[in-house]
Amino acid sequence: GQNIDQPTEMTATEGAIVQINCTYQTSGFNGLFWYQQHAGEAPTFLSYNVLDGLEEKGRFSSFLSRSKGYSYLLLKELQMKDSASYLCAVKDSNYQLIWGAGTKLIIKP
Amino acid sequence: IAGITQAPTSQILAAGRRMTLRCTQDMRHNAMYWYRQDLGLGLRLIHYSNTAGTTGKGEVPDGYSVSRANTDDFPLTWASAVPSQTSVYFCASSDSGAAADTQYFGPGTRLTVL
Repeated sequence: GQNIDQPTEMTATEGAIVQINCTYQTSGFNGLFWYQQHAGEAPTFLSYNVLDGLEEKGRFSSFLSRSKGYSYLLLKELQMKDSASYLCAVKDSNYQLIWGAGTKLIIKP
Repeated sequence: IAGITQAPTSQILAAGRRMTLRCTQDMRHNAMYWYRQDLGLGLRLIHYSNTAGTTGKGEVPDGYSVSRANTDDFPLTWASAVPSQTSVYFCASSDSGAAADTQYFGPGTRLTVL
C-alpha cells in the first residue's frame, strides 16, 4: 500500500528553527509537495520538490532524498503565525496526490 | 469571484437525505478534485476530473457521484447520506494533472450527518 508518515505534533519557540520530517512509500514518484493549513482553513501550497536536494524559499526550505523516500520542511525564524498544520503529499504514478495526516506545529512565545 | 468557491460553508443533514456540494473555479483550470478530510487522516481523494466531460474515481468514491458539464463547475452529490460521511470536504483545482501542477483549494464545507 501507499503510506506517508509525519509526526503528529511538534512544539517550537518563536524565533527558533524547526524541521518537520516526512517519509513515504508510494507506487511511483512524481514529486513531493508541502502545504500549510491553518485551523479551519484550506491547505495552501508551500513547496514542490522533484529532484534531490534543498529548495529554499524565504524562511521556508524543503529537502528531498528520493533514494531514502524522505523529505523535510525547515522553518526558520519562527513566527506565531506559523502555528498551523503542515501536510506532506506525494504525487504517485497515476499523478494523484497521496497525503500524510499532517503535523500540527505549535509555536510558543 | 477569484479562485475557488464552495457552497454551502457548513451543513447539518439527516441520514438518508440527498446532498449536493457545489464547487466553482474561475481560473480556467482543466483538472478538479474532491477530497474529504477527517481527523487523524490525510486528505483522501473522492473523485477527480482531468478535463470537462470526464471524471474518475479516487481512493474513497463509494456513495458519491460527480459530474463535469463545463470547465468551471464540479458538484459532488450523494443520494442518501450516512453518518460516516460526516467530514470536511474540500474542492481543489489545478491547471492540468501534470506532475508539477499545484492544486489550489476551496475554503471547504463542514458536513455533519446525524
